[in-house]
Amino acid sequence: DTGVSQNPRHKITKRGQNVTFRCDPISEHNRLYWYRQTLGQGPEFLTYFQNEAQLEKSRLLSDRFSAERPKGSFSTLEIQRTEQGDSAMYLCASSPPRGTPYEQYFGPGTRLTVT
Amino acid sequence: DAKTTQPTSMDCAEGRAANLPCNHSTISGNEYVYWYRQIHSQGPQYIIHGLKNNETNEMASLIITEDRKSSTLILPHATLRDTAVYYCIVRDSNRDDKIIFGKGTRLHILP
Repeated sequence: DTGVSQNPRHKITKRGQNVTFRCDPISEHNRLYWYRQTLGQGPEFLTYFQNEAQLEKSRLLSDRFSAERPKGSFSTLEIQRTEQGDSAMYLCASSPPRGTPYEQYFGPGTRLTVT
Repeated sequence: DAKTTQPTSMDCAEGRAANLPCNHSTISGNEYVYWYRQIHSQGPQYIIHGLKNNETNEMASLIITEDRKSSTLILPHATLRDTAVYYCIVRDSNRDDKIIFGKGTRLHILP
C-alpha cells in the first residue's frame, strides 16, 4: 500500500501525559499537512511542511503542540501535557510538488482519547 | 471560514443518481472547486475538482454553473458504500496550501 500511513491508529492517554503521533507520506510527496477533527466537524488545519521546513502554523497549534519533519520524509506531532479538549482525530495528508492544481491525500488518522 | 454552503444532510436510494449541491457565490477567478468525501472512521478522500468546465472521472461528475457561483457533484449510481460526508471546497491551490473544510453534507444511501 503506497498511501499515507499514520501510527498509532488509536491512542488512549491520561490527562497530563505526552503523546506522539507519526505520519509517513506518499514517497514522492514533498508537502505534508496535519489536521485535527472533532466529532461532527470538518477537519481543521494545524500545520504544513514543505520538505523539512514548517511553513505555516494555525493558531489552534498551542505551545503544547509541536510538529517536526526532520528529514523531509516522515513527520511527528507531539502533544505535551494533554488535556481532555485534545481528544480528537488527528489527520495527516501529503501532496506532490506544486504545479498544476493538486489534491491532498489523507491518511486514516490517529484517534486520541484523553481521560 | 469555509466559503461554501451545503445542505446538512441528504438521502438517496441505492442505484439512483445522488446530486449534491454546493453554493460558492464569492468564488474568485483563480479558485477551483474541489470535492472530498469522508467515510466513517476514515480520512477524507479526494473525489474531483474543476475550474469552469464540467468534469467527469471514474468516481463522479462535477457540474459547475456558468457564473461559477454553484456546483453539483453527481454520483451516477449510488451504492451503500457511498454513504459518507461530502465536502465542497473552493481553493486557489496555486496560492493556498491548506484546505478549509466546512461541515459538509451527510449523504445517506438507502437500500
